Amino acid sequence: KQEVTQIPAALSVPEGENLVLNCSFTDSAIYNLQWFRQDPGKGLTSLLLIQSSQREQTSGRLNASLDKSSGRSTLYIAASQPGDSATYLCAVKAAGNQFYFGTGTSLTVIP
Amino acid sequence: DAGVTQSPTHLIKTRGQQVTLRCSPISGHKSVSWYQQVLGQGPQFIFQYYEKEERGRGNFPDRFSARQFPNYSSELNVNALLLGDSALYLCASREYGATDTQYFGPGTRLTVL
Repeated sequence: KQEVTQIPAALSVPEGENLVLNCSFTDSAIYNLQWFRQDPGKGLTSLLLIQSSQREQTSGRLNASLDKSSGRSTLYIAASQPGDSATYLCAVKAAGNQFYFGTGTSLTVIP
Repeated sequence: DAGVTQSPTHLIKTRGQQVTLRCSPISGHKSVSWYQQVLGQGPQFIFQYYEKEERGRGNFPDRFSARQFPNYSSELNVNALLLGDSALYLCASREYGATDTQYFGPGTRLTVL
């Protein structure tokens, strides 16, 4: 059974700092990996999707990488801002149209 | 274009009751998925529907069921509610295949007393 882990569970950084969030998964047989952001009590907002054949995707200040063979993905956020404060979740799509989410990293950017 | 919409926003039920949650996907999206998110946890996959057929099912008991209508909207039904069913229920829609990017609705907060 696929298990997705995110480390750290919580992170607090000063504004302007670059940071990296980690996601690991136990079964490398995935179709894609997606990063989401969730504000308290709200739904999820898609940030980046990486297909299994890709190594990375970029959108603005965000860069996500995927190393399928080692079961790892990272989300890099450049020049963090207070508005980036949220919970960040990664999810993998596996066989049988199954989707597995991690438990998230709660990010606080201090002004 | 409107995003994914869900109704109701909040719901309070008592143990043993039944509940129906509704979801309307983004226009043009034919696939809808349902997730349960317990406080402090990541979403857990419940069902995926495409073209009115079930295409994926997570590890949930038979008390959970869903269906998709010809207009691609969907309902999630939960029977014999338990306290542990209290959660945020999220619906996501996507274009089936190529991009696989999921777009989520705001969720329905279900509280079981």
